[in-house]
Amino acid sequence: QVQLVESGGGVVQPGGSLRLSCGASGFTFSPYGMHWVRQAPGKGLEWVAFIRYDGSNEYSADSVKGRFTISRDNSKNTVYLQMNSLRVEDTAVYYCAKDPLSYGSGSWYFDYWGQGTLVTVSS
Amino acid sequence: DIQMTQSPSSLSASVGDRVTITCRASQSISSYLNWYQQKPGKAPKLLIYTASSLQSGVPSRFSGSESGTDFTLTISSLQPEDFATYYCQQSYSTPLTFGGGTEVEIK
Repeated sequence: QVQLVESGGGVVQPGGSLRLSCGASGFTFSPYGMHWVRQAPGKGLEWVAFIRYDGSNEYSADSVKGRFTISRDNSKNTVYLQMNSLRVEDTAVYYCAKDPLSYGSGSWYFDYWGQGTLVTVSS
Repeated sequence: DIQMTQSPSSLSASVGDRVTITCRASQSISSYLNWYQQKPGKAPKLLIYTASSLQSGVPSRFSGSESGTDFTLTISSLQPEDFATYYCQQSYSTPLTFGGGTEVEIK
């Protein structure tokens, strides 16, 4: 069955950096676009970023543009989120999620989710 | 950005009740509307995609419909495992946006 496992969360000071990883198993990873979605404590869901199946295009929310970078390594079945210049308002559970469309530009919704990893930005 | 407005923000219902949750888009999004269920401490789960298509494995008591920029999630007979928070999400354009959520509580 599809499994997505995030790692790399933790506590970081404002202005610091963190790299999240999401390992995929139970399906053929390389044909599918992947997303990151976050949820601040007690709040709703916010889409963060998307990367095409082949890594040729990335899209991100304005709130993270220029600070966060999504990437992937299809040989390792892993998608990453490099987070720089972290702010207190980036504190959230970060989920990776699979896009259901294969070999395309994305269907732009999320058919499978990981369990999430908590990032806390605090001094 | 497309704003998604969900209502109500919370509701109380009993097992067996018919429950309706509404999501309104700030502009036309065709049928690019999806619904998720989230239980406390868990990841969201896809229920409905493109307004009315039932995700594989989701019980048939869940259904979705649309009318213009208004979208509805209906639970025909609420079950104990359905008490959760529900979110709509538009997949028409980036940035992808979610509604604020509807918490379904036990009456």
